[in-house]
Amino acid sequence: EVQLVESGGGLVQPGGSLRLSCEASGFTFGNYWMTWVRQAPGKGLEWVANIRQDGGEKFYVDSVKGRFSVSRDNAKNSMFLQMNSLRAEDTAVYYCARALFIDSWNNDYWGQGSLVTVSS
Amino acid sequence: DIQMTQSPSSLSASLGDTLTITCRASQSITTHLNWYQQKPGKAPKLLIYAASGFQSGVPSRFSGSGSGTDFTLTISSLQPEDFATYYCQHTHSAPWAFGQGTKVEIK
Repeated sequence: EVQLVESGGGLVQPGGSLRLSCEASGFTFGNYWMTWVRQAPGKGLEWVANIRQDGGEKFYVDSVKGRFSVSRDNAKNSMFLQMNSLRAEDTAVYYCARALFIDSWNNDYWGQGSLVTVSS
Repeated sequence: DIQMTQSPSSLSASLGDTLTITCRASQSITTHLNWYQQKPGKAPKLLIYAASGFQSGVPSRFSGSGSGTDFTLTISSLQPEDFATYYCQHTHSAPWAFGQGTKVEIK
């Protein structure tokens, strides 16, 4: 059974840093692109970042470029999101998701999410 | 960047109704379009991939169509468990993006 479990969320002050983790099981993690998606309270979904299987290619939404960094450790079946210079508008539930290509890319499995709150 | 516009933003429907949600891309995305269902406090669930592909385990009352810039999600014979928020997502090129969502409520 495919499982994705996020951790590392919490309360952080504006300007602070936080590192989210996503631990995968039930599939060969190193064979898949992975995605981070976030959802601010009461708002819609926002794609944040993608990372290639070997970590050699990464893409980010403009609003986090230069502040967030996605990485992965295939030996530990884990993906990470290092978030620096956090702002109030980064407050959201952060989901990790597996990316799969069947005629086009999609996110077929999702974790349960990790809440990040940026507030003083 | 490609923008996605969903309509309507919300709708009220009755059990057994057939409803249609539309999604428009700001430029052609061929069929790089997915649909997700999200219930409160839960992660999104993939319903339709590549505009019309049926995700395993999803009831056949859910269907998708379209290509280029205009897409639709159709839910036939609405069931109690279908009341949720639905999102389209383009994956044509980075940055990927979601529509703003359509909340389906009970009339």
